[in-house]
Amino acid sequence: AAGVIQSPRHLIKEKRETATLKCYPIPRHDTVYWYQQGPGQDPQFLISFYEKMQSDKGSIPDRFSAQQFSDYHSELNMSSLELGDSALYFCASSSGPGEQETQYFGPGTRLLVL
Amino acid sequence: AQKITQTQPGMFVQEKEAVTLDCTYDTSDQSYGLFWYKQPSSGEMIFLIYQGSYDEQNATEGRYSLNFQKARKSANLVISASQLGDSAMYFCAMREDGTGGAQKLVFGQGTRLTINP
Repeated sequence: AAGVIQSPRHLIKEKRETATLKCYPIPRHDTVYWYQQGPGQDPQFLISFYEKMQSDKGSIPDRFSAQQFSDYHSELNMSSLELGDSALYFCASSSGPGEQETQYFGPGTRLLVL
Repeated sequence: AQKITQTQPGMFVQEKEAVTLDCTYDTSDQSYGLFWYKQPSSGEMIFLIYQGSYDEQNATEGRYSLNFQKARKSANLVISASQLGDSAMYFCAMREDGTGGAQKLVFGQGTRLTINP
């Protein structure tokens, strides 16, 4: 079965640079979530999209922005990168809000800021 | 705000034994969902099992079962006949309704399970 695709899988950036992370949800999934997992920590919700509209925002810095496109893929744009942005970034997709909604996670993008 | 607590930072179990990973939650919502995810050392987050708050039966998926005790607000994961490949970090999570329809997950701190041969 098709899974969530994230690219790139690994990314190394310098401080103050920008990064763009991409997420391709499972086919026919219209809801995308972004999470950030720091070293030794649990994943923290950043932002979500439902039917190409921003649905909810969590602890996402103002330096970050995201959008969901007409084909339902999503991109997380990160500017003025800081050392503390080094983390594993997950995208998850689901078939939409509901009692049985289950989020399926991609393999993650491991970002290292030097 | 909802909260998930996993009180076991680490657990060590002999291969083929059953293991129970604890998870308690706190919510004032009547309708909620509880999830368990497995994160191996490679980093991916693998969905294991789901329990809805209105489900009367405990969820089961192969060797995984969820011991759901609603009155105690606990949702413990039971892995039967553990295998070496079960060694991983395990996260309990709760679905929290967002403002725009999508329902984000709130995670516990995780339990690192090590299976010994």
